[in-house]
Amino acid sequence: ETGVTQSPTHLIKTRGQQVTLRCSSQSGHNTVSWYQQALGQGPQFIFQYYREEENGRGNFPPRFSGLQFPNYSSELNVNALELDDSALYLCASSLWGRKTQYFGPGTRLLVL
Amino acid sequence: DQQVKQNSPSLRVQEGRISILNCDYTNSMFDYFLWYKKYPAEGPTFLISISSIKDKNEDGRFTVFLNKSAKHLSLHIVPSQPGDSAVYFCAASGGTYKYIFGTGTRLKVLA
Repeated sequence: ETGVTQSPTHLIKTRGQQVTLRCSSQSGHNTVSWYQQALGQGPQFIFQYYREEENGRGNFPPRFSGLQFPNYSSELNVNALELDDSALYLCASSLWGRKTQYFGPGTRLLVL
Repeated sequence: DQQVKQNSPSLRVQEGRISILNCDYTNSMFDYFLWYKKYPAEGPTFLISISSIKDKNEDGRFTVFLNKSAKHLSLHIVPSQPGDSAVYFCAASGGTYKYIFGTGTRLKVLA
């Protein structure tokens, strides 16, 4: 069974740039959620995708957007990067209707 | 407004003793709770969960207790081992798609 994978592991961008982060779900999982974890905080829900559509969204502006592909892999796109976007971005996959989510190792983004 | 709170940022326990990690929540609509463990440079790893219809769930050395009237849950680790040293997050869900996480408690188990 393949776990959740994310790429890249680390990324450095400058303010105003755009970034795309990628996630491959655990084998058999059809739902993916994205979280942002700032230093010293718990993960904060960004959005969830199921059947290639956004299923729900947390308190994040529209410049945070996502995609889910037919193979259930997913992307998180962030436009017009701000310094406060510097964080660990976590992807979690699950089976629709099941409560437990399984996390990937995360992508650490630094915005300068 | 922090709906899920872990008021102890850190905890130190001697190897072999019991570790008790606490979590409080404010939203009475939460009906499912999970504990995750996180090592540095890794994503959170699922540990154990509990539904609001139960007050206890056990898995090996890990037991989660839920007190709905107090809106409080706790994770007990017995016996604690040095490999348990990590940051522990509790998370709550209210029948929706997202989890609300606490800020974490860093557990250090001393050999």
